[in-house]
Amino acid sequence: LAKTTQPISMDSYEGQEVNITCSHNNIATNDYITWYQQFPSQGPRFIIQGYKTKVTNEVASLFIPADRKSSTLSLPRVSLSDTAVYYCLVGAFSGGYNKLIFGAGTRLAVHP
Amino acid sequence: GAVVSQHPSRVICKSGTSVKIECRSLDFQATTMFWYRQFPKQSLMLMATSNEGSKATYEQGVEKDKFLINHASLTLSTLTVTSAHPEDSSFYICSASGTTNEKLFFGSGTQLSVL
Repeated sequence: LAKTTQPISMDSYEGQEVNITCSHNNIATNDYITWYQQFPSQGPRFIIQGYKTKVTNEVASLFIPADRKSSTLSLPRVSLSDTAVYYCLVGAFSGGYNKLIFGAGTRLAVHP
Repeated sequence: GAVVSQHPSRVICKSGTSVKIECRSLDFQATTMFWYRQFPKQSLMLMATSNEGSKATYEQGVEKDKFLINHASLTLSTLTVTSAHPEDSSFYICSASGTTNEKLFFGSGTQLSVL
């Protein structure tokens, strides 16, 4: 199972773009990269998922370099409600799902 | 998107009692479900993996007789904390994936407080 490394915490201000980078040097060929958001006393919420290059949805973008040993979650124009813990996970899919191990996550604090 | 329902959201019990937590996949068949626990300010720790119709696989250090997992159908998995003690107080979260899902969906969590 690929281990992930993220910054423990980040601070930002409302309206700024936030980029959180995750390292996963041992990512396997079949592994996807998925980011989750968690608020206190809630289950993690899916944000975005990708395999390579760039993925964009209505809430975030995910940049994955060619070697796939890292990925960057980009949150455009954050607001106070984006204050949460963000987890980067890698895992494979093929019918039976490989278990996902959570790293420490990045605690993002957005200030007024 | 797919929904995973977890109940109860909060439970307070006396030491020595057993508590059952349910996890249901509402609009897809969950062939695999995962149970995590989370202590304050810490990350999620995987406790066990359950596959429908078979015994759960527990992570190292997790007592299988303490945390009973049943995955009797493709839409329901239960975690029973037997003879709960104060040290079992934690936030328990389930997640589910199906054969066609490419992502994991999480329940809203259960805050267990053992007095």
